[in-house]
Amino acid sequence: SYELTQPPSVSVSPGQPASITCSGDKLGDKYACWYQQRPGQSPVLVIYQDNKRPSGIPERFSGSNSGNTATLTISGTQAMDEADYYCQAWDSSTVVFGGGTKLTVL
Amino acid sequence: EVQLLESGGGLIQPGGSLRLSCAASGFTFSSYAMTWVRQGPGKGLEWVSAISGSGDDTYYADSVKGRFTISRDNSKNTLSLQMNSLRAEDTAVYYCAKEPYPQVAIVRWFDPWGQGTLVTVSS
Repeated sequence: SYELTQPPSVSVSPGQPASITCSGDKLGDKYACWYQQRPGQSPVLVIYQDNKRPSGIPERFSGSNSGNTATLTISGTQAMDEADYYCQAWDSSTVVFGGGTKLTVL
Repeated sequence: EVQLLESGGGLIQPGGSLRLSCAASGFTFSSYAMTWVRQGPGKGLEWVSAISGSGDDTYYADSVKGRFTISRDNSKNTLSLQMNSLRAEDTAVYYCAKEPYPQVAIVRWFDPWGQGTLVTVSS
């Protein structure tokens, strides 16, 4: 079965850029998206189709996907961005989520 | 504004059955596929099942195939998940979410998500 691998945790200082990776076999040949989940809340879509932002998502969120790795980048990270982030792709008629990355803004 | 409101969760014994519902509003319900995703306590997200806008096509994760049944009533803007033969590992918050197209397509994302309903399977 297809697997997506994310680092369990990433730390960043306020105002600095943060990058969260998501690795999977030939992931660049598929479309990836990203969700933000704050504690006690439902997931929110922040990036879809590799690099598109839904309306209402700040411009500091961006995405890329090439080779075996998709990357979510937050430029100028803010305290409110502290959350769990999940990547997601589709393979062989099933949806696959990464294990999630806890972003800590120190 | 698109809104999704799940209900039906609760405490159920192993082997029991439960039916979850998701009431949708703010969009043309029949024009979009819908999906269920669950999240075990302290765990990550796991896709469970999806259904096309018409209800003709359904999809399941291997972990629930043969035990769960997804359905929808487009006249009532309601999505349902019938869960039978429940196991302890089915304990999770269950979210319903809207897909971008009428059919379950290669390009998929979920937006928005409901607030979730907690299912606890325990004796």
